[in-house]
Amino acid sequence: EVQLVESGGGLVKPGGSLRLSCAASGFTFSSYSMNWVRQAPGKGLEWVSSISSSSSYIYYADSVKGRFTISRDNAKNSLYLQMNSLRAEDTAVYYCARAASPEVATFFDYWGQGTLVTVSS
Amino acid sequence: EIVMTQSPATLSVSPGERATLSCRASQSVSSNLAWYQQKPGQAPRLLIYGASTRATGIPARFSGSGSGTEFTLTISSLQSEDFAVYYCQQYNNWPRTFGQGTRLEIK
Repeated sequence: EVQLVESGGGLVKPGGSLRLSCAASGFTFSSYSMNWVRQAPGKGLEWVSSISSSSSYIYYADSVKGRFTISRDNAKNSLYLQMNSLRAEDTAVYYCARAASPEVATFFDYWGQGTLVTVSS
Repeated sequence: EIVMTQSPATLSVSPGERATLSCRASQSVSSNLAWYQQKPGQAPRLLIYGASTRATGIPARFSGSGSGTEFTLTISSLQSEDFAVYYCQQYNNWPRTFGQGTRLEIK
């Protein structure tokens, strides 16, 4: 069974940093592109970042470019999102999601339950 | 950036009836379109990809159609568990973008 479990969310002050993690199991992690998608309270879904299976290709939404860094450790079956210079508008539930291909983030076939990030003073 | 526009924002339908949800792209996305269902407090679930292919385990009452810029998700006979928010997403261009969602509520 595919499982994605996010952790690392919490309350942080504007300008602060946070590192999210996603632990994957039930599939060959190194064979899939992985992604972060967020959802602000009461709002819709927003794609944040994608990383290919071998980390060769990385993409970011303009809203987070230069502040967030996606990475993965295939030996540990883990995905990460380093978030710096956080703003109030980054407040959201952050989902880890698997893409159904190794190199290109296509559609997202499995999702974690999400971790809440709240940016507030 | 490709803008995905879903209509209507809210759809009220009685159980057992058919629901038709629309999604329009601001430019062609070919058939690179997915649909997701999200219930309160839950993660989204993939329903349809490639505009018309049902994901694993998705009941046959869910069907998708369209290509280019116009897409439709049809639920043929609504069950109680189908009342949720539905999102479309294009994966033809970067950035990947979602529609704003259609809330399907019980009439």
